[in-house]
Amino acid sequence: QQQVKQSPQSLIVQKGGISIINCAYENTAFDYFPWYQQFPGKGPALLIAIRPDVSEKKEGRFTISFNKSAKQFSLHIMDSQPGDSATYFCAASLGNTGKLIFGQGTTLQVKP
Amino acid sequence: GAVVSQHPSRVICKSGTSVKIECRSLDFQATTMFWYRQFPKQSLMLMATSNEGSKATYEQGVEKDKFLINHASLTLSTLTVTSAHPEDSSFYICSAVWPGRGNTEAFFGQGTRLTVV
Repeated sequence: QQQVKQSPQSLIVQKGGISIINCAYENTAFDYFPWYQQFPGKGPALLIAIRPDVSEKKEGRFTISFNKSAKQFSLHIMDSQPGDSATYFCAASLGNTGKLIFGQGTTLQVKP
Repeated sequence: GAVVSQHPSRVICKSGTSVKIECRSLDFQATTMFWYRQFPKQSLMLMATSNEGSKATYEQGVEKDKFLINHASLTLSTLTVTSAHPEDSSFYICSAVWPGRGNTEAFFGQGTRLTVV
């Protein structure tokens, strides 16, 4: 019940296209859902995050869509660029703890 | 944004020796820090929660005697891998909880690549 399932495992998108990564969770007590971007050999960097009382949040080219009833949330990267090529992790947190349960990760490759 | 610094970024040690990894919050005080382990092309697995001034809380299956955690101040937590063996080789990453925005946002260090030979 503590799992967060992420798909797809890998994704190839053409420059300018939309990248979509999906996550699903079981524990309805999760109340904070961040997305992290990680480059090889580096720590994850916070991209954008959402709470369950909001269905969508947009920051620049990054949008989170949240479906509370389906217990799913997704990351959309608009106008994808080669510099976006990285591994993306969704996560979920319970309460104001900062303790994160991570999805399995998605390796995104944006082709020029 | 909040800055978390980890040192060293890369370390090679001999089997049987101990290695200490430092995690510092540079521009904020963090009462709680977390230590994660990441194998190649895999996700981050939480090892333990480090609380300033108290004992760390370890996740199930993590050997507390092998992975010693000390959170001696509000800006520093250390992870010591004791009697390291090749199977301990991994990427270790810490995070610190930023006290702003309801104590929710976790910022990560740059990670430490440990290789035990």
